[in-house]
Amino acid sequence: QVQFVQSGAEVKKPGASVKVSCKTFGFSFSTKKAIHWLRQAPGQSLEWLGWINTGNGNTRLSEKFRDRVNISRDTSAHSVYMELSSLTSEDTGIFYCAKGGTPLWGLWGQGTLVTVSS
Amino acid sequence: DIQMTQSPPSLSASVGDRVVITCQASGDIRDSLNWFQQKPGEAPRLLIYDTSKLYSGVSSRLGGGGSGKHFSLIIDNLQPEDAATYFCLQYDSLPYSFGQGTRLE
Repeated sequence: QVQFVQSGAEVKKPGASVKVSCKTFGFSFSTKKAIHWLRQAPGQSLEWLGWINTGNGNTRLSEKFRDRVNISRDTSAHSVYMELSSLTSEDTGIFYCAKGGTPLWGLWGQGTLVTVSS
Repeated sequence: DIQMTQSPPSLSASVGDRVVITCQASGDIRDSLNWFQQKPGEAPRLLIYDTSKLYSGVSSRLGGGGSGKHFSLIIDNLQPEDAATYFCLQYDSLPYSFGQGTRLE
């Protein structure tokens, strides 16, 4: 059974960076498979940050976050990572990884709460 | 960028009711629309994909329709477990974008 398990909650100061991991179980990395990252601010809807092709590591990022987000993978660890830099209080929220393909986002990680506070 | 306008923002209904939630896209998204359900403290759960296809394990009381710019999620015979927030998502063009959500009580 495919499962995505994310790293634990983080508290960061403004200006810092955060790196969230998404460890996959029962999921084979390939050029036909992508994993996406999304963010949900408190009480708000969701925003798409970008995706990574798990086979070749190519990424496609939202223009809004292009300058601050980096998505990477470690095939030996069966994991995908999302790093967001230059954090502000507006970045506080829950970050999710989700499975690409068809149907889009049928499988999600449990979410990682990132709190940005001085 | 495609903007998704979802309505109503909130909805109160009774067990057994039929409810309809709509999403309007700012541009033609063909049938590239999914619906998600989210309960407090949980990740979103996919309900409907490609506008009208029921995802595995989802109750047949739910249905989706529409095309182009106008889409709807219908829930028949409302049950207590349907209390949640519902989001639409367009994936026709980047950046993918969500509606603002409908809170169903």
